[in-house]
Amino acid sequence: GNSVTQMEGPVTLSEEAFLTINCTYTATGYPSLFWYVQYPGEGLQLLLKATKADDKGSNKGFEATYRKETTSFHLEKGSVQVSDSAVYFCALLGAQAGTALIFGKGTTLSVSS
Amino acid sequence: GAVVSQHPSRVICKSGTSVKIECRSLDFQATTMFWYRQFPKKSLMLMATSNEGSKATYEQGVEKDKFLINHASLTLSTLTVTSAHPEDSSFYICSASGPFFSGGGHSTDTQYFGPGTRLTVL
Repeated sequence: GNSVTQMEGPVTLSEEAFLTINCTYTATGYPSLFWYVQYPGEGLQLLLKATKADDKGSNKGFEATYRKETTSFHLEKGSVQVSDSAVYFCALLGAQAGTALIFGKGTTLSVSS
Repeated sequence: GAVVSQHPSRVICKSGTSVKIECRSLDFQATTMFWYRQFPKKSLMLMATSNEGSKATYEQGVEKDKFLINHASLTLSTLTVTSAHPEDSSFYICSASGPFFSGGGHSTDTQYFGPGTRLTVL
């Protein structure tokens, strides 16, 4: 079945450092890929998405490229801020309509000033 | 646009009581809603998929008689935890997907999440 594997944290960085959170997936067909962010005490928010191979999703300085050859969707940001501290979830949506998102285990990012 | 609300945000109840959690799509019609459970420092576990007007589809290992899901309209789904016990204490999150209003820049493959409900069973 479909699955998502992402690096487990916590990831601790200083402000303005470069961020990479790895995410790989297993799926049949052509899934859509997502990154969600959960700030402390809040619900999940969609950060970015990509729906086909080689698409790049971007938002708030974060980027991720849908790499079918490596089945990856790594999240990157060139310069993190303290306000980026949160839990980041990689997720996959199967090609079949009406299916639920499948989430990775989440990566906690802590950015210090 | 694409706002999903949950009510209540936090509930504390005694063991043996039932608790109902509401999930509403405020500005779109949600043909499909999903219920997830999130344990502390863990990922989201899908409990069930709910389509308007039909019975929910539960994931393996989820007791459908304990977690009753009703999706009576295109904007409302409810999760009722029956005879709750301390092990049911968790963070319950719903999400909803399209169809969306035109011009909103949304697509049917995107799910929008409610803020979650923290259930504590004493």
